[in-house]
Amino acid sequence: NAGVTQTPKFRVLKTGQSMTLLCAQDMNHEYMYWYRQDPGMGLRLIHYSVGEGTTAKGEVPDGYNVSRLKKQNFLLGLESAAPSQTSVYFCASSQTSNYGYTFGSGTRLTVV
Amino acid sequence: GESVGLHLPTLSVQEGDNSIINCAYSNSASDYFIWYKQESGKGPQFIIDIRSNMDKRQGQRVTVLLNKTVKHLSLQIAATQPGDSAVYFCAETDSGNTPLVFGKGTRLSVIA
Repeated sequence: NAGVTQTPKFRVLKTGQSMTLLCAQDMNHEYMYWYRQDPGMGLRLIHYSVGEGTTAKGEVPDGYNVSRLKKQNFLLGLESAAPSQTSVYFCASSQTSNYGYTFGSGTRLTVV
Repeated sequence: GESVGLHLPTLSVQEGDNSIINCAYSNSASDYFIWYKQESGKGPQFIIDIRSNMDKRQGQRVTVLLNKTVKHLSLQIAATQPGDSAVYFCAETDSGNTPLVFGKGTRLSVIA
């Protein structure tokens, strides 16, 4: 049972490049989330999904897009990367919104 | 993972002592609370949760206390061990579909 798997684990982008971060969960969870983590800022919610085909904005959605075409996958896209998007990105999933989330191991993204 | 947790409040305890990590929340409607542990380079790991109809819940070596009157949550770790060294986050949500909101974290450092 892999839980939540994030790919890639590390990536360096040049300003203006695009990329997609993939999150996959094998627990049949309805809810999925993308958070970013910056020093001293804790975890901030970017976007989330309450089920297949749905997405919603979180606290810091600007510069990101998401898609949930399949229940098990939640994609986070950066269309034109900026240095301010340098961060560690965590995906999580849960069966309901008010039950413990399972987190992936993170993607460390550096934009130069 | 080393850059995560800079400028965080830090609690230093002697191995074998008890640790108490505190968290204040602001949303009176929050009714579900979780503590997470994050080790360097890893994703947050669920420790223990509590709902608002309780004021105390115990796990293995950990206890969470909830004081709704002053909107305060605490995590107590008994007989702290070197393996408990990590950043600890509290998180909260309400009964709707609102995702978890995380605090900024506290770094626990165990002195052997």
